[in-house]
Amino acid sequence: EAQVTQNPRYLITVTGKKLTVTCSQNMNHEYMSWYRQDPGLGLRQIYYSMNVEVTDKGDVPEGYKVSRKEKRNFPLILESPSPNQTSLYFCASSPTVIAGGGRRAGELFFGEGSRLTVL
Amino acid sequence: AQSVAQPEDQVNVAEGNPLTVKCTYSVSGNPYLFWYVQYPNRGLQFLLKYITGDNLVKGSYGFEAEFNKSQTSFHLKKPSALVSDSALYFCAVREGQAGTALIFGKGTTLSVSS
Repeated sequence: EAQVTQNPRYLITVTGKKLTVTCSQNMNHEYMSWYRQDPGLGLRQIYYSMNVEVTDKGDVPEGYKVSRKEKRNFPLILESPSPNQTSLYFCASSPTVIAGGGRRAGELFFGEGSRLTVL
Repeated sequence: AQSVAQPEDQVNVAEGNPLTVKCTYSVSGNPYLFWYVQYPNRGLQFLLKYITGDNLVKGSYGFEAEFNKSQTSFHLKKPSALVSDSALYFCAVREGQAGTALIFGKGTTLSVSS
């Protein structure tokens, strides 16, 4: 089954304790992205990756790191979590399409979400 | 900069009645427009998209959306609502010829009563 898998689904941690949220997709998608969802703010992009070893900042990258060493995996790293990073996190992937002479992300496929609480 | 507005936080409709969830957008080039649905404790699921062509786009679960370039709108519609349609709906836009980020609206909660 084609899917995007995130782990853990739920996590409670304390300020400053490094954590990693894993994301894996089995659709051979080139594009992957992380979003956070907060009430009243919708989804905001944290980081994205167009391909292996290529990552870029989204709208709210502060306090986060990512890596893309393999095509299928795109982990989100919180080096020193703070309470303002309490949120619902979504990983998404997409095939890329050729448009306007360049490559662009197509339709996004989302994971089930990871609810993170930082105390 | 691209942006999306969903002017209603919540839409209430009775089962069997038509529903509309509104979305307006702002991009400097041609828009790629999407609707996603989120059920409780689940990820977002793709409903439909407009890239080019016919202004009326049909998607999953009987939903459709109409692209209106002059009004920069992409409203989601369904002729007859079901209780099971109750969920959080997101409109999203990407400028077709530049950038890769998909910008989401804040979401509209649809509540269908029996």
